[in-house]
Amino acid sequence: AQSVTQLDSQVPVFEEAPVELRCNYSSSVSVYLFWYVQYPNQGLQLLLKYLSGSTLVKGINGFEAEFNKSQTSFHLRKPSVHISDTAEYFCAVSDRYSGGYQKVTFGTGTKLQVIP
Amino acid sequence: DTGVSQNPRHKITKRGQNVTFRCDPISEHNRLYWYRQTLGQGPEFLTYFQNEAQLEKSRLLSDRFSAERPKGSFSTLEIQRTEQGDSAMYLCASSSPGLAGGPGNEQFFGPGTRLTVL
Repeated sequence: AQSVTQLDSQVPVFEEAPVELRCNYSSSVSVYLFWYVQYPNQGLQLLLKYLSGSTLVKGINGFEAEFNKSQTSFHLRKPSVHISDTAEYFCAVSDRYSGGYQKVTFGTGTKLQVIP
Repeated sequence: DTGVSQNPRHKITKRGQNVTFRCDPISEHNRLYWYRQTLGQGPEFLTYFQNEAQLEKSRLLSDRFSAERPKGSFSTLEIQRTEQGDSAMYLCASSSPGLAGGPGNEQFFGPGTRLTVL
């Protein structure tokens, strides 16, 4: 079984400042890793994913994340946030050997509040 | 591509009533997923369809829950004898198949159906 820990439930940050949202995972097998964003009253949108290869993954809206296998982490970063980045962010993990489909396990989410 | 749609967007019901939600996936997607999201939590996997076949059900899906995808297109999720603990956002997602043995393609999520059981 796999699990995801997002230690920060809320992260306030001033506009144009950098931000890092932390994510740690636990799994007995190799995994795929994802970050999703959820705006109020909307579904989830994929920001970026790590499947293999380069450990630095770039996604939409200027976000990037780095896979660190030794620390079992997949932290999300953005060098300069905008008001429009205010949303809830979910880290997620999928077992590589889940039978060819994504059974995704989500973290509890981090609410990013960008302060003007 | 109009995205994944879900109806209704909101449902308020009294305890003990039955409710049914509908999900229309992206038309060419053969994979469909249901998730439940409670306040302050991330989405939790409920069940998965490939075409019309329901291939996996979570232990979260009690006997009061049933999901169908009769023609491999839209799907319904029914909850019988609702309880207050069923209050949550029910999310549907769909994806197209990826390479064999691979992770599949990105799951596209609908806006969800928010259920409130009084």
